[in-house]
Amino acid sequence: DIVMTQSPDSLAVSLGGRATINCKSSQSVLSSSSNKNHLAWYQQKPRQPPRLLIYWASTRESGVPDRFNGSGSGTDFTLTISSLQAEDVAVYYCQQYYSPPYTFGQGTKLEIK
Amino acid sequence: QITLKESGPTVVKPTQTLTLTCTFSGFSLSTSGEGVGWIRQPPGKGLEWLAFTYYNGDKRYSPSLRSRLTIIKDTSKNQVALTMTNMDPVDTATYYCAHRREECSGGSCARVLDVWGQGTTVTVS
Repeated sequence: DIVMTQSPDSLAVSLGGRATINCKSSQSVLSSSSNKNHLAWYQQKPRQPPRLLIYWASTRESGVPDRFNGSGSGTDFTLTISSLQAEDVAVYYCQQYYSPPYTFGQGTKLEIK
Repeated sequence: QITLKESGPTVVKPTQTLTLTCTFSGFSLSTSGEGVGWIRQPPGKGLEWLAFTYYNGDKRYSPSLRSRLTIIKDTSKNQVALTMTNMDPVDTATYYCAHRREECSGGSCARVLDVWGQGTTVTVS
């Protein structure tokens, strides 16, 4: 299995500030044939199911605000939330879909400072 | 509009078999690229990918739970069922079913979980 490790486990950011969440995979999730990274990000608000935010490491899902940005390649990825809003309080998960089982990171809890 | 809803028992006893059903609408599991599966989340913990079934009959299981899981699709009823044998208190969790969207370009396919059910909580006690 590919192990996904996120850092930090939690962070607190001021409203309007920038949040940065990291995700590292135990092996590359970059497809050599397409040069695409098989990496997605999900947001889970309290008492709700997860919501898909980003796939291909940097492609925003329809309807996702442009303050959410994904970057990285190979084994190291970042989710950046610029201009943090109160509704962004949630747990964020990365997931690889390169090789089954399509494993998730342990989650990063984002709070308002 | 795609929707999914989980159903099943809220409490099971240790050693019993759990059967959950996901009833979905807005797509057909006989359509190329479609998939439905299960993810669970123990209280206060992270997400664990369990099992998925796909339009072509393919099935994938978590290796660590493979011996205990069976996933079956009923295309005519728009349902996917998951059975988990020999339940233990550590299996207490919210169980989600999710739609897998396949989006292919440039020789690769994104296989992402774009729509989730609300989840069903199962307690093993």
